[in-house]
Amino acid sequence: GENVEQHPSTLSVQEGDSAVIKCTYSDSASNYFPWYKQELGKGPQLIIDIRSNVGEKKDQRIAVTLNKTAKHFSLHITETQPEDSAVYFCAASGGSYIPTFGRGTSLIVHP
Amino acid sequence: GAGVSQSPSNKVTEKGKDVELRCDPISGHTALYWYRQRLGQGLEFLIYFQGNSAPDKSGLPSDRFSAERTGESVSTLTIQRTQQEDSAVYLCASSLAYGTDTQYFGPGTRLTVL
Repeated sequence: GENVEQHPSTLSVQEGDSAVIKCTYSDSASNYFPWYKQELGKGPQLIIDIRSNVGEKKDQRIAVTLNKTAKHFSLHITETQPEDSAVYFCAASGGSYIPTFGRGTSLIVHP
Repeated sequence: GAGVSQSPSNKVTEKGKDVELRCDPISGHTALYWYRQRLGQGLEFLIYFQGNSAPDKSGLPSDRFSAERTGESVSTLTIQRTQQEDSAVYLCASSLAYGTDTQYFGPGTRLTVL
């Protein structure tokens, strides 16, 4: 089955800095890669996703890159703000109808 | 439109009691997932429903856990004879179909077993 590794588990940055979270996956059949943000006491919310027919996607301060050859994808957040502080999860699906999630990254943005 | 809703938001129960958790998916979403999230941990898949097909129960941790779904609407997750290790947040998600469709999560039910 699919295996998704996510790093780092904790990321601490200063406001205004960039943050990068990386995930690797094992199933070459996976073709959909969403990123979720989970704030304290809430369910995960989709922030950006990418499909295997593109290499990069941007939405304002957030971008995701995908390297299918190397089987890894990354989330980039620029000009971080305190409200970006949350837990971020990556996921991969397509080979199976059940998405496989990474273990999460706790992002802390210091004012 | 309305998102995924779950009830109750919090449930405190005594060890050995049964609990029932409810999920109302987004209207028109044929796929529904249940996950368990222990404190500070990732998402643990429990069960998956797709339309009228037989559910995938491969993630259920024991026979004390069961779930039902009425057609393409409400789902209930039942935990019998609750144990302290069942304490967690139970999340429900729905999607238009399965696999490569975006999942929309509910706010979760926080279950505490005393």
